[in-house]
Amino acid sequence: QSVLTQPPSVSAAPGQKVTISCSASNSHMGNYFVSWYQQAPETAPKLLIYDNSKRPSGIPDRFSGSNSGTSATLDITGLQTGDEADYYCGAWDSSLSAVVFGGGTKLTVL
Amino acid sequence: EVQLVESGGGLVKPGGSLRLSCAASGFNFHSYTMNWVRQAPGKGLEWVSSISSSSNHIYYANSMKGRFTISRDNAKNSLHLQMNSLRAEDTGVYYCARDGAAAGREFDFWGQGTLVTVSS
Repeated sequence: QSVLTQPPSVSAAPGQKVTISCSASNSHMGNYFVSWYQQAPETAPKLLIYDNSKRPSGIPDRFSGSNSGTSATLDITGLQTGDEADYYCGAWDSSLSAVVFGGGTKLTVL
Repeated sequence: EVQLVESGGGLVKPGGSLRLSCAASGFNFHSYTMNWVRQAPGKGLEWVSSISSSSNHIYYANSMKGRFTISRDNAKNSLHLQMNSLRAEDTGVYYCARDGAAAGREFDFWGQGTLVTVSS
């Protein structure tokens, strides 16, 4: 059982917005600096968001993140078919001295 | 350009051992914490281990403690994972990932992965 919980799947139409949530089973979300990764089929994960809301260079501003202290969210606006992938949240848990990942969310662009 | 290239995967019997390597290039390898992350077939990401830039801070996921050993050779820009007492549930793709410089221990660059299959 993952420390971080994500919905197994989400879907939306092209051009629409989708939100993927990430919650912590241990009430530590407020202490986490959450990262988000995108993994297309048969490829390595790619960093989308770090430190809850920062984007690495080259990541379009259609991708945004936030952390309310109770849950983290990844928002994707202007959905494209190329956004179909699995999305994972992750964070360093200092109490566990471990990196924890969510179980992943499969995004389908209808 | 940052590049991480894993090698050493393959088929091994339960109870056997395997040593994975990751060759790094395009950045100052000796300045970065490095990690191994694995993914079982059809499953999600699972962090395996991390090692700080000078090897003085090493961490493992609980299920790997005592069986896996992470190491690095900064002179050769290489990261390694020695895996002993392998089990069927260790099967998966093993990724080498660089730890970014921000607060959250994000993984900003990943290798393409190497497949480990534990089966008799």
